[in-house]
Amino acid sequence: GQSLEQPSEVTAVEGAIVQINCTYQTSGFYGLSWYQQHDGGAPTFLSYNALDGLEETGRFSSFLSRSDSYGYLLLQELQMKDSASYFCAVRDNYGQNFVFGPGTRLSVLP
Amino acid sequence: DVKVTQSSRYLVKRTGEKVFLECVQDMDHENMFWYRQDPGLGLRLIYFSYDVKMKEKGDIPEGYSVSREKKERFSLILESASTNQTSMYLCASMGQGTTYEQYFGPGTRLTVT
Repeated sequence: GQSLEQPSEVTAVEGAIVQINCTYQTSGFYGLSWYQQHDGGAPTFLSYNALDGLEETGRFSSFLSRSDSYGYLLLQELQMKDSASYFCAVRDNYGQNFVFGPGTRLSVLP
Repeated sequence: DVKVTQSSRYLVKRTGEKVFLECVQDMDHENMFWYRQDPGLGLRLIYFSYDVKMKEKGDIPEGYSVSREKKERFSLILESASTNQTSMYLCASMGQGTTYEQYFGPGTRLTVT
């Protein structure tokens, strides 16, 4: 079957750095995406990795290792507004089929 | 700015009713998706469409059907609603490109009683 694993909850303080891991087992792999969702809001796209390595976008970075079937989202200089759920998603070999992980709830404390 | 709108924010239906959820996007995107979101399960793909009148089953299509008669509109149909279809339903659209960024609508919280 297809499965993605993420920690269910992560807590950190303002200004800290936090890493949210994602491991996947899917029938195919075309890329790994990350989405942020605030309570009551719609998911919003953060990043997409198709190749191994680190992609940086401001305070957020995303990493992929295809050989390890593993990726992570790194959030730096945490702010209160970063408190949200974060989902990884794999685009598998059926073209536009995306499989999402269960989500990680990040709480940023003052 | 991409906009994806959904017909209702909250909906309450009775068991056995036929339910239509509509989604409209204004960016001329080829791809559209329907997901349901349940606590602890993340987003699960119900159906997607890569072109007008084209559709593909996702991971959990049972009990659902879809319609895409126009490029901007993608409808999800529950032929006979059941209580286990109580959920948050999210529509998304995505253009052809290399970032594979999906744009989500605000969601419809459906309760089936």
